[in-house]
Amino acid sequence: AQRVTQPEKLLSVFKGAPVELKCNYSYSGSPELFWYVQYSRQRLQLLLRHISRESIKGFTADLNKGETSFHLKKPFAQEEDSAMYYCALRAGGTSYGKLTFGQGTILTVHP
Amino acid sequence: DVKVTQSSRYLVKRTGEKVFLECVQDMDHENMFWYRQDPGLGLRLIYFSYDVKMKEKGDIPEGYSVSREKKERFSLILESASTNQTSMYLCASSFGRDLNEQFFGPGTRLTVL
Repeated sequence: AQRVTQPEKLLSVFKGAPVELKCNYSYSGSPELFWYVQYSRQRLQLLLRHISRESIKGFTADLNKGETSFHLKKPFAQEEDSAMYYCALRAGGTSYGKLTFGQGTILTVHP
Repeated sequence: DVKVTQSSRYLVKRTGEKVFLECVQDMDHENMFWYRQDPGLGLRLIYFSYDVKMKEKGDIPEGYSVSREKKERFSLILESASTNQTSMYLCASSFGRDLNEQFFGPGTRLTVL
């Protein structure tokens, strides 16, 4: 069975500082990784997926299979980045898009 | 624009009551999911459905059942609500089998007294 771990429940940084939200996973096959975000009073929504190798709102994440990690990074945090962030994994070959989510990290960016 | 709606934003029920949570999506998605969201535990999958009348257990199905009689609607049923089912319930839908994004509803905050 797959597992996703986000070791930090809370993360606080100041505006303009770099930020890294950690995500580690355990899965024996070839996973697909995602980051979802929930801003205050908004719905949970997809932020980015590893296969796209894209930067969204200045965030990037690289899948490191050796370290089984998919950390989310942004060089200069903004106040509007304050939100709940979830890392999620889709096991390779799993049908129907079923995801396993981590525990979530609440990011607070102070002015 | 994908729209996933949930029947109630807030719900208060008593222990032992039968509770129905409804979810409707308007994008003809095959897959629908029910999660509960708890602080420190993240999102945990209760049940999902990949077609009408088809359902599969997620990670925490105990105490819950589901119904999918129409493609656009996925219902979560608590046969006999208990206080440990007090939680935020999120519904989601997605298209097809691959990497397609899950679209979430606004959530239902259920309190069981």
